[in-house]
Amino acid sequence: QVQLVESGGGLVKPGGSLRLSCAASGFTFSDYYMSWIRQAPGKGLEWVSYISSSGSTIYYADSVKGRFTISRDNAKNSLYLQMNSLRAEDTAVYYCARSGWELLLRYWGQGTLVTVSS
Amino acid sequence: EIVLTQSPGTLSLSPGERATLSCRASQSVSSSYLAWYQQKPGQAPRLLIYGASSRATGIPDRFSGSGSGTDFTLTISRLEPEDFAVYYCQQYGSSSSITFGQGTRLEIK
Repeated sequence: QVQLVESGGGLVKPGGSLRLSCAASGFTFSDYYMSWIRQAPGKGLEWVSYISSSGSTIYYADSVKGRFTISRDNAKNSLYLQMNSLRAEDTAVYYCARSGWELLLRYWGQGTLVTVSS
Repeated sequence: EIVLTQSPGTLSLSPGERATLSCRASQSVSSSYLAWYQQKPGQAPRLLIYGASSRATGIPDRFSGSGSGTDFTLTISRLEPEDFAVYYCQQYGSSSSITFGQGTRLEIK
């Protein structure tokens, strides 16, 4: 069965960096687009970034452009999100999710909490 | 960017009742690329409906979706206790505009 397991969240000071990982199993990872979506405490869903199956196409929300970098390693069945220059407003649960090119999010991980606070 | 507006913000109903949730788009959603997700506290969202009206795998038939263009509806025919959750709509299919609605909270009356 499809499994997505995020890791790497934690407490970081404003201006700091964090790298999130998403380990995928149960499907051919290299066939699918992958995304990061976040949810601030008590708030709705915000699409952060996606990467195409080959890694050739990448999208970032304006709120993270220039600070976050999405990448993938198809040999390791893993997705990453490098987050730099973190701000308090980046505090959220970060989910990874699988989709096709159409960006319909059929499968989600359980999420990892990132807290940006001094 | 397409803005999705969900209404009502909160819906209070009793088990056994019918729930009707609305999602309105600021521009026409192409090819009915409109999805609905359910999220329970402490859990990740779960895909319910895609293509405006197709149920995802394993979703009970009391959930149905309808609509096209700019107006979409999620209907739950008879509410079960496990249906009380937050519901989000999402438009997809466009790499330049990926948005969610703000959510409708369905609570027990």
